[in-house]
Formats: sequence, structure tokens, C-alpha cells
Amino acid sequence: EIVLTQSPGTLSLSPGERATLSCRASQSVSSTYLAWYQQKPGQAPRLLIYSASNRATGIPDRFSGSGSGTDFTLTISRLEPEDFAVYYCQQYGRSPWTFGQGTKVEIK
Amino acid sequence: QVQLVESGGGLVKPGGSLRLSCEASGFTFSDYYMSWIRQAPGKGLEWVSYISSSSTVIYDADSVKGRFTISRDNARKSLYLQMDSLRDEDTAVYYCARVKVPHYLADGMDVWGQGTTVTVSS
Repeated sequence: EIVLTQSPGTLSLSPGERATLSCRASQSVSSTYLAWYQQKPGQAPRLLIYSASNRATGIPDRFSGSGSGTDFTLTISRLEPEDFAVYYCQQYGRSPWTFGQGTKVEIK
Repeated sequence: QVQLVESGGGLVKPGGSLRLSCEASGFTFSDYYMSWIRQAPGKGLEWVSYISSSSTVIYDADSVKGRFTISRDNARKSLYLQMDSLRDEDTAVYYCARVKVPHYLADGMDVWGQGTTVTVSS
């Protein structure tokens, strides 16, 4: 099983600042089969990024993903008030699929 | 519009059973891999199971293997999760989700239901 470790656990930032979230895999993720999701309290997760760097439909371009192999990054270039949420990475290159434990982006 | 609606959650005693349903609308359900994901109270996301568009490919997480069974009825546009031998640690919100690209397993999950809550307690 591929274990995904996200860091930091919590990121305290102000609106307008840049957020950099990390996701590290215990083994190489096949063909960059990695996704990022955003989840707000009481809501279902929402797909932001797939294949490590492709934005899903309707996702603003302030969200970007990068990385390959075992190291992946989600960057939010300028935080908007609606971006404060929990973010999860997920690998789907090898079964069982696995999620990281999440990074909470909170208002400083 | 494209939508998934789960139902069937509730309170059940340890050792009991429950069947969750997920009804799809707004897209050709029979073209897509589908999955169940759960989230225990205050915890992160845990993938549970996936099934191919024609039910020929199924994979379960070790934590539910032998106890949970995923299935689908394409004519009814519905996905199911039969949960047997339930344990306290199965308490969670259960989401169904669609894999983004038709007939393809390796992609993100782009449509999610609102979730249904399962509580296992005596």
C-alpha cells in the first residue's frame, strides 16, 4: 500500500498570501496518478487537480499542482476567503487507492 | 444536472448489517467506474471500494474485505454497498463518487454525493 504523508498538518495564512502544501508518497506514484481535493465543513470533497497538475473543470487558475515520483505539491497562489478548508491528496495509480491525512488551511 | 444521492445510512448494532444506495442522474451511469469513500467523525478520507462500469473489476480496502460488498445496477443507475459484520470503527459518513473519465479507472473522482451517515453502536 502506498502511504501518503501530507505536510504541514495546519497552515495558518492570511487572505492574499501564497499557500504551499506537500504530499509525499512512500513509493513512486505511477504516471503521476495523483489528485488533490478540497473539503469544507459539512460538505463533500471537491476535485481540484488530477494527474498531478491538471485542473479539474471550473477550478480557478490560482490552484496549481506539480510533482512526480514521490513528491507532489499543491500551490494556491493568492488565498481567497473561500479557500480556507482542508486539502487531501490521493493516489490512484496502484490499488488500494489511498488518501493523505489532510492539510488544514486556516485564517491567521 | 450531474448528481449522486446516497441513502440507507442509520444506526446499527455491532455485528449488524446495512445496505447503502447511491442513485445517479444527469450522466450515463453505465460508462463510469464508481467508488465508495468514508470519513469517520473528525477524521480524514478513507477509500473503501471501487467497481468497474460492467462490474467485472472490483477492489476493496483491506479494512472492509470480506465484510463489505460493492455492486451496481446499471439499469437502475444505482451503486450499492452491502455492509455486514459491522464494527464500531465503521462509523462514518459514506460517500459515493464517480471516476472522472468513462471506462477508465486511473483518474480522479469528479462527482461526489452528499454522503450518508452510518453509526455502529450498541
